Amino acid sequence: DAGVIQSPRHEVTEMGQEVTLRCKPISGHDYLFWYRQTMMRGLELLIYFNNNVPIDDSGMPEDRFSAKMPNASFSTLKIQPSEPRDSAVYFCASSSVPGYGYTFGSGTRLTVV
Amino acid sequence: DQQVKQNSPSLSVQEGRISILNCDYTNSMFDYFLWYKKYPAEGPTFLISISSIKDKNEDGRFTVFLNKSAKHLSLHIVPSQPGDSAVYFCAARGRSATNKLIFGTGTLLAVQP
Repeated sequence: DAGVIQSPRHEVTEMGQEVTLRCKPISGHDYLFWYRQTMMRGLELLIYFNNNVPIDDSGMPEDRFSAKMPNASFSTLKIQPSEPRDSAVYFCASSSVPGYGYTFGSGTRLTVV
Repeated sequence: DQQVKQNSPSLSVQEGRISILNCDYTNSMFDYFLWYKKYPAEGPTFLISISSIKDKNEDGRFTVFLNKSAKHLSLHIVPSQPGDSAVYFCAARGRSATNKLIFGTGTLLAVQP
């Protein structure tokens, strides 16, 4: 298995633009998680899905953030409009038995200028 | 509110010596704890875990200790090797139906040759 695949690896965009981050989980994993890594807050959970259904989005910072999982093999995290404070590394992770360890992707480093 | 805290942002240790990374938590409902290791430009990878019914778990050079009364856990690496240099994240899982992991802010370990 290729593991959790995220794209793009790096994204530089101007303030106000829309940004879409993509994730392909490991086949057979029913849970998908989006995390954001910052120096101040560490790895912060934004939202997670079970069987393509959003279960907990309490970590989504504001309405500018949205996430979808149209099928078991694909998820997106969208920021519209983007702001400089959104600059961070965004990780996607998947799991078949959550809480016993996730498999993380390599992350997307987002820079908003 | 940070439920999982890693108060030392960095730690430097000589090769061959012991590395001790610490983690504190505030929620007594956490029942499972994990350590993840992260190299630059990669996603975090699972290292070792411990259930709340235990106070110690060992895997090779890595040992995790749990002190429930103090709400404190630690990761010991003996002997430390230069390849251990990475960011280490502590994570905790709640006992409720939610399956999400709450991560700390991370500790950067540097093992000097």
